Amino acid sequence: DVKVTQSSRYLVKRTGEKVFLECVQDMDHENMFWYRQDPGLGLRLIYFSYDVKMKEKGDIPEGYSVSREKKERFSLILESASTNQTSMYLCASRQENEKLFFGSGTQLSVL
Amino acid sequence: GDSVTQMEGPVTLSEEAFLTINCTYTATGYPSLFWYVQYPGEGLQLLLKATKADDKGSNKGFEATYRKETTSFHLEKGSVQVSDSAVYFCALSHSSGGSYIPTFGRGTSLIVHP
Repeated sequence: DVKVTQSSRYLVKRTGEKVFLECVQDMDHENMFWYRQDPGLGLRLIYFSYDVKMKEKGDIPEGYSVSREKKERFSLILESASTNQTSMYLCASRQENEKLFFGSGTQLSVL
Repeated sequence: GDSVTQMEGPVTLSEEAFLTINCTYTATGYPSLFWYVQYPGEGLQLLLKATKADDKGSNKGFEATYRKETTSFHLEKGSVQVSDSAVYFCALSHSSGGSYIPTFGRGTSLIVHP
């Protein structure tokens, strides 16, 4: 089975800190995605990547950046964490237009 | 742009009741349609999908039919169980500049009581 692994299940950071969320997939998928999930708002796309070193902004990229130096790894970076970035972050991967495989999520709290 | 609209929840049912969760979409062309399920404390996982009009996706007793004339993909199950309690997301995936960006609805929480 495809596995998408997110490095932390829970994370607590302080306002202004630089935060790295890591995601690794083991099935050589080309496409990778970062979403945030908030109650009542569903999933909102932050960034996605359809190949190594390629990235595209999603619906809410402000305050975030990403890095994809290797095909299996897609990192989400909060340059200067703020309290409104407290959320559940979900990483996903897929091959072309097939189904998405999701990680278990990282619950980030910014204090 | 593309969009997906789901009925708001929570939907609360007794065990063995019939379930319908409505989903309608707006998209150009012929997107693929999906239902994902998220159990408590987990990420989303695919429940079923349909790739063209009149296709029926089915899995674990759930089913949904791709209705192009009504732009709908309603999720149904004849007899729900407590273990079906979860959040259900309707989604579409449509070619947009070749990047196939997935679009999700806001999710519908299902609570099943014994």
